[in-house]
Amino acid sequence: GAVVSQHPSWVICKSGTSVKIECRSLDFQATTMFWYRQFPKQSLMLMATSNEGSKATYEQGVEKDKFLINHASLTLSTLTVTSAHPEDSSFYICSATALTSGNTNRVFGPGTRLTVL
Amino acid sequence: GQSLEQPSEVTAVEGAIVQINCTYQTSGFYGLSWYQQHDGGAPTFLSYNALDGLEETGRFSSFLSRSDSYGYLLLQELQMKDSASYFCAPGTGANNLFFGTGTRLTVIP
Repeated sequence: GAVVSQHPSWVICKSGTSVKIECRSLDFQATTMFWYRQFPKQSLMLMATSNEGSKATYEQGVEKDKFLINHASLTLSTLTVTSAHPEDSSFYICSATALTSGNTNRVFGPGTRLTVL
Repeated sequence: GQSLEQPSEVTAVEGAIVQINCTYQTSGFYGLSWYQQHDGGAPTFLSYNALDGLEETGRFSSFLSRSDSYGYLLLQELQMKDSASYFCAPGTGANNLFFGTGTRLTVIP
């Protein structure tokens, strides 16, 4: 079946540094990928929609200059958290829509746990 | 605005049946999906209802009533491994899914 991978699976960084998270669709092409953030015991909050070859669409309240998204190919989208602060510590999950067995399914990556010290 | 209601927690006995209800209010509606998420893991797709009625996938079934903006997930023959959070997610158009806070299911022996 369709698989989405993320790298790294977890990262610890110092406050003020930048962290890049990669999201790859392994066996299908994804013109659109979605980035979510999830705080402990809370829901998945959509941060932005990443479109291949064009600018990402950010949800209200999400700073586009802080969360840089690049979707350079049909299988790769990256999220860079710039000048990270402890409040950015969260579980970041990407997802893509895959066409499998004639049905359209949303596939999620395994997530990246970011801890900012 | 958009809103979604699910029970926050449900506890059920192994082998039993449990129903998780979901009512939603969205600006657009393109079907209702259900996802399972274990602690520390990513959501995995369980079921999708585009039309009214019941969809059955093994031990899991999902129901949708578009006129009532209501759906439910039915889990039968509960197993310990079913302990997880369950999210209903209405599709709101342009490939978007709207997630609520989820229902934490605890299966006890």
